[in-house]
Amino acid sequence: DAKTTQPPSMDCAEGRAANLPCNHSTISGNEYVYWYRQIHSQGPQYIIHGLKNNETNEMASLIITEDRKSSTLILPHATLRDTAVYYCIVRVGGFGNEKLTFGTGTRLTIIP
Amino acid sequence: DTAVSQTPKYLVTQMGNDKSIKCEQNLGHDTMYWYKQDSKKFLKIMFSYNNKELIINETVPNRFSPKSPDKAHLNLHINSLELGDSAVYFCASSQRDRNTEAFFGQGTRLTVV
Repeated sequence: DAKTTQPPSMDCAEGRAANLPCNHSTISGNEYVYWYRQIHSQGPQYIIHGLKNNETNEMASLIITEDRKSSTLILPHATLRDTAVYYCIVRVGGFGNEKLTFGTGTRLTIIP
Repeated sequence: DTAVSQTPKYLVTQMGNDKSIKCEQNLGHDTMYWYKQDSKKFLKIMFSYNNKELIINETVPNRFSPKSPDKAHLNLHINSLELGDSAVYFCASSQRDRNTEAFFGQGTRLTVV
């Protein structure tokens, strides 16, 4: 399994962009980078995923470096409701063996 | 409509009892999962079922037995509950042949006393 490394915690001012880094230096060529978040006591929620190109959706943007060894999740205008633990996950396996290996994540606190 | 629903939300029971947690998804997905989040907040996969067939079994004690009566349901039965089984259990579903997201339920907080 490709491992991921994230800072344990970060703060961000409300209304500013939150940039959450993730290192995945052992990622394989066919492994995707996924981001999930878990708001207190709720089930994890999918945010975005990508292979090698940058991706954007209504929630966030994902920037993957050219060598794919690291990525950054960007929440463009953070709100208080974005306070959560954010997990960067490298997806393992092919058909019939998908599983998400959650690390310790980054606890993001949005400050009013 | 809730995409992935689990019942019950809270479960308090005594050691040695047998209990079940139910999960249903209305997304038409073919793969369902059980994850366990312990007191230290580590979230780990336990089982995965695809079209009612067991795909992943991550070194879980035999006291835990998942049952999938159909693609939309994956129940978790736990025999002889132990204190260490206290955790939050999350059910999830996804579609196997697409690199898409997994949808999680809201969790079942199991407390063994």
